[in-house]
Amino acid sequence: AQSVTQLDSQVPVFEEAPVELRCNYSSSVSVYLFWYVQYPNQGLQLLLKYLSGSTLVKGINGFEAEFNKSQTSFHLRKPSVHISDTAEYFCAVSVPGNQFYFGTGTSLTVIP
Amino acid sequence: DAGVIQSPRHEVTEMGQEVTLRCKPISGHDYLFWYRQTMMRGLELLIYFNNNVPIDDSGMPEDRFSAKMPNASFSTLKIQPSEPRDSAVYFCASSSRQGTYEQYFGPGTRLTVT
Repeated sequence: AQSVTQLDSQVPVFEEAPVELRCNYSSSVSVYLFWYVQYPNQGLQLLLKYLSGSTLVKGINGFEAEFNKSQTSFHLRKPSVHISDTAEYFCAVSVPGNQFYFGTGTSLTVIP
Repeated sequence: DAGVIQSPRHEVTEMGQEVTLRCKPISGHDYLFWYRQTMMRGLELLIYFNNNVPIDDSGMPEDRFSAKMPNASFSTLKIQPSEPRDSAVYFCASSSRQGTYEQYFGPGTRLTVT
């Protein structure tokens, strides 16, 4: 079975500071990895995804994530956050065959 | 494409009433998912369909919940009778095996049961 763990439920960070949101997964088979963002009162929107190839994946809004197979991690990073990045972030794992597993989410709050 | 469409966007109903939520997936997608999101439980998968057939409904809370997908472009999630604890945001998402299985979410239906 697959599972996703987001280690931090809430992350406050000052504007223009860097941020890292952590995600670890467990799976006995190869998986696809995703990060979604949910702005207040909206649906989930895909930020970036890892399918294969380069372990460093770049997404929208300046976010990037690195797949680390040995540590089974897929942490999300941004070198300088903006107020508009305040949102809920979800890590997800997909097994080909299409079952999706979402983490519990990390609430990012950017402080002016 | 217009993306995943959900209706209504907001629903307020009284306990005991029947509630029907609707979803139109992205054209060509063969998977459809229903999720529920609450502060207490986070994002929960209720049920998903492949080619209009329910594959896994283990997340459906109880018999008061039912979901159907009569054709490739329409699905409903029904709650009968509704209870206050059903208050949540319900999301529909769709995906395609022809792509990379990423899910595309609708804007959600905010359900309030008083």
